[in-house]
Amino acid sequence: GNSVTQMEGPVTLSEEAFLTINCTYTATGYPSLFWYVQYPGEGLQLLLKATKADDKGSNKGFEATYRKETTSFHLEKGSVQVSDSAVYFCALSPLGSWGKLQFGAGTQVVVTP
Amino acid sequence: DTGVSQNPRHKITKRGQNVTFRCDPISEHNRLYWYRQTLGQGPEFLTYFQNEAQLEKSRLLSDRFSAERPKGSFSTLEIQRTEQGDSAMYLCASSPIAGGYNEQFFGPGTRLTVL
Repeated sequence: GNSVTQMEGPVTLSEEAFLTINCTYTATGYPSLFWYVQYPGEGLQLLLKATKADDKGSNKGFEATYRKETTSFHLEKGSVQVSDSAVYFCALSPLGSWGKLQFGAGTQVVVTP
Repeated sequence: DTGVSQNPRHKITKRGQNVTFRCDPISEHNRLYWYRQTLGQGPEFLTYFQNEAQLEKSRLLSDRFSAERPKGSFSTLEIQRTEQGDSAMYLCASSPIAGGYNEQFFGPGTRLTVL
């Protein structure tokens, strides 16, 4: 079946540090891939997406590239801010699945001043 | 604010009681999804509606769970004879139908605690 595996948290880093959150997946065919973010006290929000191999999703300084050969979709940001503290979820939507999402367990990121 | 709304936000009940949650999607969004999220885990898909038709149900949705979307607008999720294992955050999301993928907009969730 389909699955998403992402690195465990919490990830603690200082402001302006480089952030990487690893995400790998197993799926049949070519799923769409997503990163969702949940800020403290708020609902899930789409951060970025990629729908085919080699696509790069980007938003708010975050980037992730759909790597079919390594079945990965790692999230990166070059210089984090305290406001980036949140829980980040990697997710996939299988082809022909009505858009339903399958999520990883989430990675908590804590950015300190 | 015209986002997805869910009510109630919190529900505490005793084991064996029935509970019902409501989700109001963004108007004109044809697709509606229910997910369940337990502590420290990502959301898990429960069921999907396209307009009023329930097109897919997860195996997680036991016979005690039922969902409806009359008239293709709001949706309800009912849990009968609640068990402690039903304690979780229940999330609703909606999206429009158009060519290609459409972003799912999530509501704030209903947190259920079964004592």
